[in-house]
Amino acid sequence: GAVVSQHPSWVICKSGTSVKIECRSLDFQATTMFWYRQFPKQSLMLMATSNEGSKATYEQGVEKDKFLINHASLTLSTLTVTSAHPEDSSFYICSASPGTGGETQYFGPGTRLLVL
Amino acid sequence: ILNVEQSPQSLHVQEGDSTNFTCSFPSSNFYALHWYRWETAKSPEALFVMTLNGDEKKKGRISATLNTKEGYSYLYIKGSQPEDSATYLCASFNDYKLSFGAGTTVTVRA
Repeated sequence: GAVVSQHPSWVICKSGTSVKIECRSLDFQATTMFWYRQFPKQSLMLMATSNEGSKATYEQGVEKDKFLINHASLTLSTLTVTSAHPEDSSFYICSASPGTGGETQYFGPGTRLLVL
Repeated sequence: ILNVEQSPQSLHVQEGDSTNFTCSFPSSNFYALHWYRWETAKSPEALFVMTLNGDEKKKGRISATLNTKEGYSYLYIKGSQPEDSATYLCASFNDYKLSFGAGTTVTVRA
């Protein structure tokens, strides 16, 4: 149990386009979903926390207009990278929690984004 | 975001040998410490969530201890097997968010 899927796993796009990444909890209801970003050889860095039906809470330094997060249901959150630029190329990974996240978080497999 | 450090960054261990590595985190306002195992091309897999000082948890050949007063946790792998090869992440949960260390990558040589 406790499976989280993430789609797509790989995406290559042109600079200036927008990319949407989906995160789904397949067998539980996710009260809270988290979006992380990882640069090479660095740790996972929290970008934002989203709760179903409310606006996401962004970490300091993360542009909310650039990284749009929608948590429309208890099983789906989306991250849209708007007007992507090469510096947005990174590994993006989501996690989901049935609670606030202090208990186990269940992770998706991640999305590798390359902006040309 | 808290400063969580893991050491060593990587290690190699012979199959059958045991190993351990460290996670250090701020001890003030501690809430919970998470350990995850992350194999290449897979999702990070939850190993342990630890909350109490002195906690010891075990899952098969993997175990972890927690010292919240001094701010560290050890992860132990007993009798390492090739399938234990992975990156092990620790993260401190505080203020409703996880702060991750950079991980310890374990390679088990057959």
